[in-house]
Amino acid sequence: ETGVTQSPTHLIKTRGQQVTLRCSSQSGHNTVSWYQQALGQGPQFIFQYYREEENGRGNFPPRFSGLQFPNYSSELNVNALELDDSALYLCASSPVTRTINTGELFFGEGSRLTVL
Amino acid sequence: ILNVEQSPQSLHVQEGDSTNFTCSFPSSNFYALHWYRWETAKSPEALFVMTLNGDEKKKGRISATLNTKEGYSYLYIKGSQPEDSATYLCAFSDGANNLFFGTGTRLTVIP
Repeated sequence: ETGVTQSPTHLIKTRGQQVTLRCSSQSGHNTVSWYQQALGQGPQFIFQYYREEENGRGNFPPRFSGLQFPNYSSELNVNALELDDSALYLCASSPVTRTINTGELFFGEGSRLTVL
Repeated sequence: ILNVEQSPQSLHVQEGDSTNFTCSFPSSNFYALHWYRWETAKSPEALFVMTLNGDEKKKGRISATLNTKEGYSYLYIKGSQPEDSATYLCAFSDGANNLFFGTGTRLTVIP
């Protein structure tokens, strides 16, 4: 196990609603990244947080937003949910910053969101 | 959006067989190549992070090679066991703060 925990594990929402997903990073890790895995796709980068600030963002609209707290845990918020937002959302933590891409990511088991 | 391709999409092998699969990625702006193993209902776990052309890494019965000039990496599993059944993901980094993942190769090892 990686020590990264995500909640909730499953949830169902309807179009137009808002959702908050939570992630507790592994002890000692100060960087958290969020990925979306839609059915049949590989994980796609949403954004990364380092020391409570956004530190890189993928091709996702502004209704996808996030937070990182002083204890390095993180939230992913999605407003105005659309059917295509149905996916597995993965959180990953790592202990480094600028050199993150040469180091492994430690993933949680994901939160599966279904939008009806 | 960078294109990372993995093949085959899925395969079934008999216990004891050796197998390999491929990850193709852009040969320009290469920074690192990651391999992850993802068992059902668990979290993806890192197998290897490779940065140098010609690099070869090994962990038990699993090994990987890297060719950054032509943009491919191979993952090999020697003497497959049922516990090797998982989806194997590769991910390419161009030096920004994100990884570009392939869609994975789903391996099933039949006892």
